[in-house]
Amino acid sequence: KNQVEQSPQSLIILEGKNCTLQCNYTVSPFSNLRWYKQDTGRGPVSLTIMTFSENTKSNGRYTATLDADTKQSSLHITASQLSDSASYICVVGNAGNMLTFGGGTRLMVKP
Amino acid sequence: SQTIHQWPATLVQPVGSPLSLECTVEGTSNPNLYWYRQAAGRGLQLLFYSVGIGQISSEVPQNLSASRPQDRQFILSSKKLLLSDSGFYLCAWEGDRGYEQYFGPGTRLTVT
Repeated sequence: KNQVEQSPQSLIILEGKNCTLQCNYTVSPFSNLRWYKQDTGRGPVSLTIMTFSENTKSNGRYTATLDADTKQSSLHITASQLSDSASYICVVGNAGNMLTFGGGTRLMVKP
Repeated sequence: SQTIHQWPATLVQPVGSPLSLECTVEGTSNPNLYWYRQAAGRGLQLLFYSVGIGQISSEVPQNLSASRPQDRQFILSSKKLLLSDSGFYLCAWEGDRGYEQYFGPGTRLTVT
């Protein structure tokens, strides 16, 4: 069964600090992995997308890593800002373009 | 550039009433379109997807239905809403690369 597990479920950090969100998946055959940011009450917005051959991708202060061997991905946020408060969703696509969504990590950045 | 619209943004409906949510995409042709539901504090659940006009695939059995009357229009409907239909409904379209989905702003539905 295809599954995507994210940890932690929620996280509180102080403004300016770094944090790392984790995503473990059991999706086969693997095609791609993407991270989305979803502000409360809004639709998800894509941050990064990686295919099998990519092991890191950055988008400003967001850096995603992918280890296809261990089926793990992480999203690292550098120098957090109040506007980073949101839910971060890991989504894994298989070769048939079926998407499996993680439950998300809710991040709160406090001043 | 491509844009995706959803309306209404919020909706409060009584149990047993009908539902119609609309999604339109601009700036692209023949996109794959998707409807998702997100219950409070939960992940996204795929409801329907469409690869073309009149072509609808359902992922989960429910009292909802979808239609695609035009290339860039995707409609989610129900004849009689249930309390369990409450949630955040998201429409998405698929980019040219085939594995990038772009989400609309969503519709918050509360069934009372």
